[in-house]
Amino acid sequence: AIQMTQSPSSLSASVGDRVTITCRASQGIRNDLGWYKQKPGKAPELLIYGGSSLQSGVPSRFSGGGSGTYFILTITSLQPEDSATYYCLQDYAYPRTFGQGTKVEI
Amino acid sequence: EVRLVESGGGLVQPGGSLRLSCAASTFTLSGYWMTWIRQAPGKGLEWVANIKQDGSVKYYVDSVKGRFTISRDNAKNSVYLQMNSVRAEDTAVYHCARDRDYYDSARDSYYDAFDVWGQGTMVIVSS
Repeated sequence: AIQMTQSPSSLSASVGDRVTITCRASQGIRNDLGWYKQKPGKAPELLIYGGSSLQSGVPSRFSGGGSGTYFILTITSLQPEDSATYYCLQDYAYPRTFGQGTKVEI
Repeated sequence: EVRLVESGGGLVQPGGSLRLSCAASTFTLSGYWMTWIRQAPGKGLEWVANIKQDGSVKYYVDSVKGRFTISRDNAKNSVYLQMNSVRAEDTAVYHCARDRDYYDSARDSYYDAFDVWGQGTMVIVSS
């Protein structure tokens, strides 16, 4: 199975900060990567698909980049409601695999 | 509002069985691959299984192969997860999710993503 490694596992930042989360795949996955946000006790929600395409309704302060084995999620101008755990997911091969998550505290 | 609602979770003894259901409202499930994803208490997300629109193709994570079966009834607009020979490590919240195809015209490519999720149903495996 393809291993997805996220870093950092957690971070603390302030409102207005720029935050970057990275996700590395154990093998090339083209751009077949999504980013999801999960608040405690809630279902995850889709932020980014195809590595860099913003899901409809997601604020433009979220952006994704990268391809192959290295991907990044950037949140510019962090807001209080961005406090959550963020996961990457590869949909290049089965089984689909998630990163271990990055907890963002504000 | 597009919704998925899971049911069927509960307490089950090791080695026992449970059947989870996922019902779609306000959209026709038959047009989509559907997926089950689980989250053990305090842990991350784990993809479990998915099923093609007509039920002809299914994929599973290795840890559930031979024990879990995903199925669907498009007439009832529902997807199911039959869990047999359950283990303590199957304890988790189980979410169903819609697997949508997105076309990116700028890159002339299609991408998959889980765009609709249910709130989940809790399964506890314990004696």
